[in-house]
Amino acid sequence: DQQVKQNSPSLSVQEGRISILNCDYTNSMFDYFLWYKKYPAEGPTFLISISSIKDKNEDGRFTVFLNKSAKHLSLHIVPSQPGDSAVYFCAAIGKDFNKFYFGSGTKLNVKP
Amino acid sequence: KAGVTQTPRYLIKTRGQQVTLSCSPISGHRSVSWYQQTPGQGLQFLFEYFSETQRNKGNFPGRFSGRQFSNSRSEMNVSTLELGDSALYLCASSPTGRATEQYFGPGTRLTVT
Repeated sequence: DQQVKQNSPSLSVQEGRISILNCDYTNSMFDYFLWYKKYPAEGPTFLISISSIKDKNEDGRFTVFLNKSAKHLSLHIVPSQPGDSAVYFCAAIGKDFNKFYFGSGTKLNVKP
Repeated sequence: KAGVTQTPRYLIKTRGQQVTLSCSPISGHRSVSWYQQTPGQGLQFLFEYFSETQRNKGNFPGRFSGRQFSNSRSEMNVSTLELGDSALYLCASSPTGRATEQYFGPGTRLTVT
């Protein structure tokens, strides 16, 4: 039973436009949410996170929004760049802070 | 500082065999976690070791086991391989075990034929 879901396996966006990646979760006890970026042949690298007590966190071109009532989070990338093309995973952490629950990933393709 | 290293990077095994994967964490990191990545399932947590003790375990059968040595290096073993075990196996190290401080290795691509 997947507790974190990314329903869009792929997304294609034009360079300079906004990329919106979505993630849904089922467990209301999750405390912390993270987004990871993964290039082929490399491990995931941490991108941005948000605590469950916030609804928005911004870091440069990346903004994560959290809607707790809808159990939904999204990652906005503005403006999108070709170097952003990668697979993006969202993840949630339970109360023990030592166990990740990952989504299945969304492959983002930013076209020049 | 050197990153997390995993060996081998690629591996082909036959169904029924067993396999051992190795992970060397970042120097000073005491926690090592293992994940399985398959298409459509994303990353699934296997287990976490901290100071040679298994601290957390995911929902995988007993064929999947691991251990951690006194130098924090970790190995993961899969016995009686099945075709469905074909995946990318990632390990991540952390200084304290907090998931927010994890650094991932490049993974070992296991193919079971």
